Amino acid sequence: AQSVTQLDSQVPVFEEAPVELRCNYSSSVSVYLFWYVQYPNQGLQLLLKYLSGSTLVKGINGFEAEFNKSQTSFHLRKPSVHISDTAEYFCAVSLKAAGNKLTFGGGTRVLVKP
Amino acid sequence: KAGVTQTPRYLIKTRGQQVTLSCSPISGHRSVSWYQQTPGQGLQFLFEYFSETQRNKGNFPGRFSGRQFSNSRSEMNVSTLELGDSALYLCASSLGGSDTYEQYFGPGTRLTVT
Repeated sequence: AQSVTQLDSQVPVFEEAPVELRCNYSSSVSVYLFWYVQYPNQGLQLLLKYLSGSTLVKGINGFEAEFNKSQTSFHLRKPSVHISDTAEYFCAVSLKAAGNKLTFGGGTRVLVKP
Repeated sequence: KAGVTQTPRYLIKTRGQQVTLSCSPISGHRSVSWYQQTPGQGLQFLFEYFSETQRNKGNFPGRFSGRQFSNSRSEMNVSTLELGDSALYLCASSLGGSDTYEQYFGPGTRLTVT
């Protein structure tokens, strides 16, 4: 069975500073990787996804993530955060060709301070 | 294009009662998945329906059930409610097919069991 670990439960960061959210996964088969964002009292919004090909993936709102197969990691980065990036971020995996079952990490709460 | 809609948005029930939640996917989407989100257990996959058939199932007791109609709308039912069923229930839709992966989430239904 696959699992996802988000190493930081909370990340405080100052506005315009860079941020990195760490995600590690384990799976015995090939996976797709995702990052979702959840704003207060809302559902999840897809930030970016890795399916295959280039290991550097660019998403919406200036976020990017790098897939590292040897370290089984998929860390999310943004070079300069805004107050509006305050939210909870979830890393998730799904098995290739196995439908849409997502396994999520525990989430990282990002608090952007002015 | 309208997004995923979930009704009702908020619900309060008493222990032992049953509840039905509804999800209308994005037009043209044939797959609907359900997730439970709680502070203690995080985001957990309940089940996925594709073309009116359950395609994937998570590790939840039989009190949790679902179905999908011919227009792809889906309902989930929880019988004999327990306090621990209090959660945000999220629905996600996607085009479907064995190798599709991009899911769009609704705003959720917040269920409180008293």
